[in-house]
Amino acid sequence: SAVISQKPSRDICQRGTSLTIQCQVDSQVTMMFWYRQQPGQSLTLIATANQGSEATYESGFVIDKFPISRPNLTFSTLTVSNMSPEDSSIYLCSVGQGWAEQFFGPGTRLTVL
Amino acid sequence: KQEVTQIPAALSVPEGENLVLNCSFTDSAIYNLQWFRQDPGKGLTSLLLIQSSQREQTSGRLNASLDKSSGRSTLYIAASQPGDSATYLCAALNSGGSNYKLTFGKGTLLTVNP
Repeated sequence: SAVISQKPSRDICQRGTSLTIQCQVDSQVTMMFWYRQQPGQSLTLIATANQGSEATYESGFVIDKFPISRPNLTFSTLTVSNMSPEDSSIYLCSVGQGWAEQFFGPGTRLTVL
Repeated sequence: KQEVTQIPAALSVPEGENLVLNCSFTDSAIYNLQWFRQDPGKGLTSLLLIQSSQREQTSGRLNASLDKSSGRSTLYIAASQPGDSATYLCAALNSGGSNYKLTFGKGTLLTVNP
């Protein structure tokens, strides 16, 4: 298993601003994932972040809005840019090795006013 | 495109009852299926992982089965307790081009009443 931490755990932001969420893992992992969970909804994959390559975004998500960094095998950041109230969600990172079990961080609860 | 459906959306049972949560998926070309638990406002806790070649997995009072050909999985909880109250999510892992993609259902909200 992997222990994953996220910062911040929650934040309240003004529209038009940006927030960077950090994800730290206690071991080296190849694949890290970023998900969004909108209120009352299930999780939707935003992008897959592999170290040393550009993140791969899912349909409906673009790099300008959700830039991702993956500087090493234990850390990644997701930035939510030019926020609007529709971006209010829980953002979760997860890690997994290929088709093995995925483990999730505690999430970042974002409220945009 | 994989789609995952969970039935029922909500379930309320008295303590001690055995119960079954259902999950169905449209694309049977999965690598595995994973069951998670989510407490309100929290992240996900992995409960059970069933590889595509397996039929079931057990952990304590939990038993998950997988029928890949029919696109179904069930999570059986024995002797339910109030502490089992949470949202239960199933997720199917498929190949997404050069990556792996986990597709989630909307979850079953379980309430176990003392």
